[in-house]
Amino acid sequence: DQQVKQNSPSLSVQEGRISILNCDYTNSMFDYFLWYKKYPAEGPTFLISISSIKDKNEDGRFTVFLNKSAKHLSLHIVPSQPGDSAVYFCAGIGGATNKLIFGTGTLLAVQP
Amino acid sequence: NAGVTQTPKFRILKIGQSMTLQCAQDMNHNYMYWYRQDPGMGLKLIYYSVGAGITDKGEVPNGYNVSRSTTEDFPLRLELAAPSQTSVYFCASSPTVHEQYFGPGTRLTVT
Repeated sequence: DQQVKQNSPSLSVQEGRISILNCDYTNSMFDYFLWYKKYPAEGPTFLISISSIKDKNEDGRFTVFLNKSAKHLSLHIVPSQPGDSAVYFCAGIGGATNKLIFGTGTLLAVQP
Repeated sequence: NAGVTQTPKFRILKIGQSMTLQCAQDMNHNYMYWYRQDPGMGLKLIYYSVGAGITDKGEVPNGYNVSRSTTEDFPLRLELAAPSQTSVYFCASSPTVHEQYFGPGTRLTVT
């Protein structure tokens, strides 16, 4: 059972434009969500998070939106830069478990 | 401050061999985790620990063992390597259950 789904394996965006990465979840007990960024041959690094009591969290060029009724969250990167090219994972946590559940990732390519 | 370190970076094992993947953190985090990432997949939790002396199974614990004798170290043991254990292994630590800090990974091939 895939509790966190990232249905787009890849996304290509022009430099300077907006990148929108999507994530859907099925577990209604999740109360906290995180986005991680991963470059090849490196471990994931934490990017931004959001609590379920909020619907938006912003950090510089990165904004995460949460729609609880749709069980959907998205990561917006504006403006996109070539250095943003990486795999992005969303993850949820909450309920009886204190374990992060990760999606399968979206490979973002920002074209110069 | 080295963060989370993992050794080795790469390893090739023959079927049936054993090995230990090392993980250490210098941030005094209570929580530590082992994940594996297969191609095109997300990270799957193998084992985790909420403090020294306390470990618990994650989603995919079969074929692995862990110990947590100190806050800093969290080694992962493969007793009888199988081809299905070919993967990239990541260790992580966190001060709370939320934001986890990952090591650089160990790429393991079992042939």
